[in-house]
Amino acid sequence: LAKTTQPISMDSYEGQEVNITCSHNNIATNDYITWYQQFPSQGPRFIIQGYKTKVTNEVASLFIPADRKSSTLSLPRVSLSDTAVYYCLVSQGGGTSYGKLTFGQGTILTVHP
Amino acid sequence: EAGVTQFPSHSVIEKGQTVTLRCDPISGHDNLYWYRRVMGKEIKFLLHFVKESKQDESGMPNNRFLAERTGGTYSTLKVQPAELEDSGVYFCASSQEEWTVKRDFGQGTRLTVV
Repeated sequence: LAKTTQPISMDSYEGQEVNITCSHNNIATNDYITWYQQFPSQGPRFIIQGYKTKVTNEVASLFIPADRKSSTLSLPRVSLSDTAVYYCLVSQGGGTSYGKLTFGQGTILTVHP
Repeated sequence: EAGVTQFPSHSVIEKGQTVTLRCDPISGHDNLYWYRRVMGKEIKFLLHFVKESKQDESGMPNNRFLAERTGGTYSTLKVQPAELEDSGVYFCASSQEEWTVKRDFGQGTRLTVV
């Protein structure tokens, strides 16, 4: 499974756009990139998933360059409630490794008033 | 629709005792997963059920841990006997499809072994 590296922490202010970049240099051809969000005392929550280029949903956008060795989660106009830990995961397509969902240390995002 | 529910939310037991954690997945989700985060560590996979069958239990740390899912509905995770290093937060998750990275997590059970 590809190892991921992301910043330990980030700070932002309400209304700003936040971009969290994750590197996954050893990503394999059939790997997908997934981001989860976790609030204190809660379980992780799926945010977005992508394979290449750009994916957007009602919560965030995910940018993946052509070489797929990194990805950037973009949160538009953050609010205080976006303060959470954000995990970048790389998951192998097919096979039982889907079940494992290897979580790294995550990025602690703190949004200030 | 109810989400993934875990019981209890907190449990404090003495070393050597037995504890049973319960997880009720979202109705209709055949896939059920257990994860845990021990103090200072990352969230780690424990095992994966498809209905009542264990699809992958490669993450179970040792034979003091026993997971069951009789009838393919709720699941239990028993720790017997509990050790201090078992303290942490145990998460359960479920999904409708097997080949998906999107799953719904419960709020977790915080286990403290003293």
